[in-house]
Order: sequence, then structure tokens, then C-alpha cells
Amino acid sequence: NAGVTQTPKFRVLKTGQSMTLLCAQDMNHEYMYWYRQDPGMGLRLIHYSVGEGTTAKGEVPDGYNVSRLKKQNFLLGLESAAPSQTSVYFCASSWTGGFDQPQHFGDGTRLSIL
Amino acid sequence: DQQVKQNSPSLSVQEGRISILNCDYTNSMFDYFLWYKKYPAEGPTFLISISSIKDKNEDGRFTVFLNKSAKHLSLHIVPSQPGDSAVYFCAASGSNAGNMLTFGGGTRLMVKP
Repeated sequence: NAGVTQTPKFRVLKTGQSMTLLCAQDMNHEYMYWYRQDPGMGLRLIHYSVGEGTTAKGEVPDGYNVSRLKKQNFLLGLESAAPSQTSVYFCASSWTGGFDQPQHFGDGTRLSIL
Repeated sequence: DQQVKQNSPSLSVQEGRISILNCDYTNSMFDYFLWYKKYPAEGPTFLISISSIKDKNEDGRFTVFLNKSAKHLSLHIVPSQPGDSAVYFCAASGSNAGNMLTFGGGTRLMVKP
């Protein structure tokens, strides 16, 4: 059982380049989330989705776009990468957004913007 | 301004002793709290949670205490084991935030054999 799988695991980009991070979950979860983790800041929510075809902004959405065309996939896009977007990105999913539904996380994508 | 704070970036304890990790929050609308554990190069995994209607929740060696008046919660690990060495994140959620999680900055726990 794979759970939540993130692709790629590492990537180095130049300023201004674009890329897409892929998150796939095989647990039939409705909710999916994208976070970034920076030193001392914990995890901050970028965007989330409460179901196929829906997306919403989180705490730090600027510079990112997302899509949820299929229930099992949640894509995070950087249209024009900036050094401030150097971070570790985590995807998560849960059955619902309810209190008793812990989020399940992928192993992260380490992204460096030069 | 961070609404969830873990003021100790790191903690070192001896194997077999108690580990106490602390977390403070400022938003009085938070009513559900969780602890996640994270090993290097892995994603966070859910450890234990507590609702604001309780002041204690226990699961094996892990106990979470909630003091609502002080807006403070703590995670106790007894006895601590070397395999508990990881980064621990406190997170909070509230109905006014659509049940989205707000995380603290994390505390790195090192359990020495």
C-alpha cells in the first residue's frame, strides 16, 4: 500500500523556470493538501482541495497554482520559480476535513531555486 | 505572527526517562490539537490528538495534556526510547479555519541510549 506518493523527490531549478510537483494517493481520500516546510516555521498550507475539481487557497498561496482533475492526484505548479520558493514540499490527504481524520503525508519534495 | 509556537527547538533526554514537549497557541478558536512525528527524509506521521473538551488523552507511552486557560499543551513520552528520536510538530485546528491545520515550528527530540 503506497499511501501518498510525491514525484519528484529532489529538483533544482533556475529562477524563472516552471515546474509541476505531482502528488498521488491510493486511499480514496477526498481531501488533499500541499504544504511547504521551512526551518523554524513548521509546515504552512499552500493550497488544498476538498474533492475532485475543487481547490482553495491556504496560508501562503502566492506564486503557486494547483489542480485536482482526478480524485487521486493533486498537482502543485510553480509558473516562475523564485529563490524564496526553495523549500521542502509535502503533500497530504485525509478522508474528510474532520477533526478525527488525521492527514497522511508523503515523504516530501526538496526543491532548490538558484 | 505564529499562532502555534514550540519554543524549544531541541530537547535531549536519556533513554528510559520522561520526555516533555511543549506547545503554546494564541487563537482561542482552536479546539482540536494534534501531534505529528517526523523522521529525516520522511513525511510527518500522526501520533496523538486531543479535543478541547478533554484535558488529557493517553495512548501507550504517549500522553497529551491540554490546559485551555493557559493555551498550552504538552506531549509526554514515558519511557523514552532511542527510536523516539525525531522532530515533533504540534498542530491545531478549529471550525473557524475550516478544519485546516496550523503547525508549530517543531521540536527535535534526541533520546540518548
